[in-house]
Amino acid sequence: NAGVTQTPKFQVLKTGQSMTLQCAQDMNHEYMSWYRQDPGMGLRLIHYSVGAGITDQGEVPNGYNVSRSTTEDFPLRLLSAAPSQTSVYFCASQTYPRPNSPLHFGNGTRLTVT
Amino acid sequence: GENVEQHPSTLSVQEGDSAVIKCTYSDSASNYFPWYKQELGKRPQLIIDIRSNVGEKKDQRIAVTLNKTAKHFSLHITETQPEDSAVYFCAARSNSGYALNFGKGTSLLVTP
Repeated sequence: NAGVTQTPKFQVLKTGQSMTLQCAQDMNHEYMSWYRQDPGMGLRLIHYSVGAGITDQGEVPNGYNVSRSTTEDFPLRLLSAAPSQTSVYFCASQTYPRPNSPLHFGNGTRLTVT
Repeated sequence: GENVEQHPSTLSVQEGDSAVIKCTYSDSASNYFPWYKQELGKRPQLIIDIRSNVGEKKDQRIAVTLNKTAKHFSLHITETQPEDSAVYFCAARSNSGYALNFGKGTSLLVTP
């Protein structure tokens, strides 16, 4: 099993451009989420999903959209990139609703917005 | 929502010494407390977790303690080795939600 796969690994965007960060998991996990990691800020939740067709906002959702059409995929869309969105983005998944199931992270996408 | 505070932000120890990282949480309904280790340029990986019905859990050189009354939990690493150098994150999950809320991380440096 590949686990959680994120693409691309690196991306540079100009302010105002749009793009989609891809995330796929092959563990049949119901729960998927997106975090951003900034120096000194830890991991902050952007959006999450508890199953196909169900999404909800996390702590820092502004500027990001998500959808969940299949169990496997959970893409994160930036409609109009801003320099404040320069960050490392991690997708994660876990089984649901087992309360003590571990969160499995992808390898991350490093995004720079100029 | 849940607020997780983590201290210290940086910690330097000599090889063989012990390291302790402490976290506090705000939501008394939180019932799951994992710890993640992140090496430079890599993804966070779970190293140990504890549920609210357990006070302590050990796995070789790593242990976690939980004080529900005080709403704090700690990571203890004994006999530290240079390969323990990394950023460590604590997290908490409420039984009323699905999201893991993370602390801001502790950068641990173990010097030979």
